[in-house]
Amino acid sequence: EPEVTQTPSHQVTQMGQEVILRCVPISNHLYFYWYRQILGQKVEFLVSFYNNEISEKSEIFDDQFSVERPDGSNFTLKIRSTKLEDSAMYFCASRGQSSGNTIYFGEGSWLTVV
Amino acid sequence: SQQGEEDPQALSIQEGENATMNCSYKTSINNLQWYRQNSGRGLVHLILIRSNEREKHSGRLRVTLDTSKKSSSLLITASRAADTASYFCATSGGSYIPTFGRGTSLIVHP
Repeated sequence: EPEVTQTPSHQVTQMGQEVILRCVPISNHLYFYWYRQILGQKVEFLVSFYNNEISEKSEIFDDQFSVERPDGSNFTLKIRSTKLEDSAMYFCASRGQSSGNTIYFGEGSWLTVV
Repeated sequence: SQQGEEDPQALSIQEGENATMNCSYKTSINNLQWYRQNSGRGLVHLILIRSNEREKHSGRLRVTLDTSKKSSSLLITASRAADTASYFCATSGGSYIPTFGRGTSLIVHP
């Protein structure tokens, strides 16, 4: 079964450093998402992306965050200057128009900011 | 907010028993999805139920939706130790962006 893949699975970074989390959505999917889950808390929506632009974003997705689809397969989340509170599991997800609106998630990238 | 909230927060049962988890939400929705998450892992999609549907089945899973009460339930029949996980409901409105609740932590004892 096709799946969303994410790299790295775990990254430790110094506060203030830039981080790029990578995702390969399911091929032929058109809608892409990033969510995060702080340890022990609920899964929170960050941003959705369609047709090479952000379609919706949450209050969490401030100026230090950006997303990009640099080529036909990768979808990246960049955190420009990480803060301690950015430590979380970041999930990428994708949806196709024919998937009945089901959104498929990757395994996540653990980000630890120290 | 469409955010669903699961109930109970934690559920502990014996293998073979049925597990029922509930989800309540506040505004109208287009669909509601249930996901499972094993500790430290990704979200696995279980079932999507549309607002015009009342019940769906998938294997040992049964999901109901009552839009008049703004609630849904997930029933896992004949539970197994491998069903131990957190279960989340996620509601979607016009933008089809799921909003997650805090989840129910299910422990199935062998």
